[in-house]
Amino acid sequence: EVQLVESGGGLIQPGGSLRLSCTVSGLTVRSNHMTWVRQAPGKGLEWVSFIYDDGTTYYEDSVKGRVSISRDNSKNTLYLQMNSLRDEDTAVYYCATYQLLIGAFDIWGQGTVVTVSS
Amino acid sequence: QSALTQPASVSGSPGQSITISCTGTSSDVGGYNYVSWYQQLPGKAPKLLISEVSNRPSGVSNRFSGSKSGNTASLTISGLQAEDEADYYCSSYTSINTLVVFGGGTKLTVL
Repeated sequence: EVQLVESGGGLIQPGGSLRLSCTVSGLTVRSNHMTWVRQAPGKGLEWVSFIYDDGTTYYEDSVKGRVSISRDNSKNTLYLQMNSLRDEDTAVYYCATYQLLIGAFDIWGQGTVVTVSS
Repeated sequence: QSALTQPASVSGSPGQSITISCTGTSSDVGGYNYVSWYQQLPGKAPKLLISEVSNRPSGVSNRFSGSKSGNTASLTISGLQAEDEADYYCSSYTSINTLVVFGGGTKLTVL
């Protein structure tokens, strides 16, 4: 069974940094396209970042320069390093696999909550 | 403001059918058959319901179906059940540099 388990969320002051982790079992992160999708309180879904199997990365405009996606193949774990956090980054952050051939996010984790507040 | 437009809410009675629309442009919904639909139950993570406009992943009930006409995709739920009460989101590949766009979500209430 494939499982994605996020961790690392919490309460952080504006301007602070957090590293989110997504521990994966049942598939290998290096062989899959992985992504982070977030959902602000009471709002819709918004993709934050992609990392393709070949290592190519993409970032949503509002997080470019503040966020970095990476993976540790030995730990089969996906990361999202978030710096210079803003109030508007407050959200539930989900990691998910992205099937490029069908254009769909097919497996999701349960999410981790990031709250940016002073 | 979301790139794809969905109605904020729809409702229906048990046993009825409802349809949720998802309107985009020729750069996304109208130009590609990479439209997906997701169900998000209260307090839960999204779940893939439909991919490539009308394909159901294994395990998804055949009460859920998808279609597309022009720049508008649709999700139809037939034989509405209480457990279908959830938020539903569409997404599409886009040729614009955002890669993927989501709809704003539709809250389904089963009366």
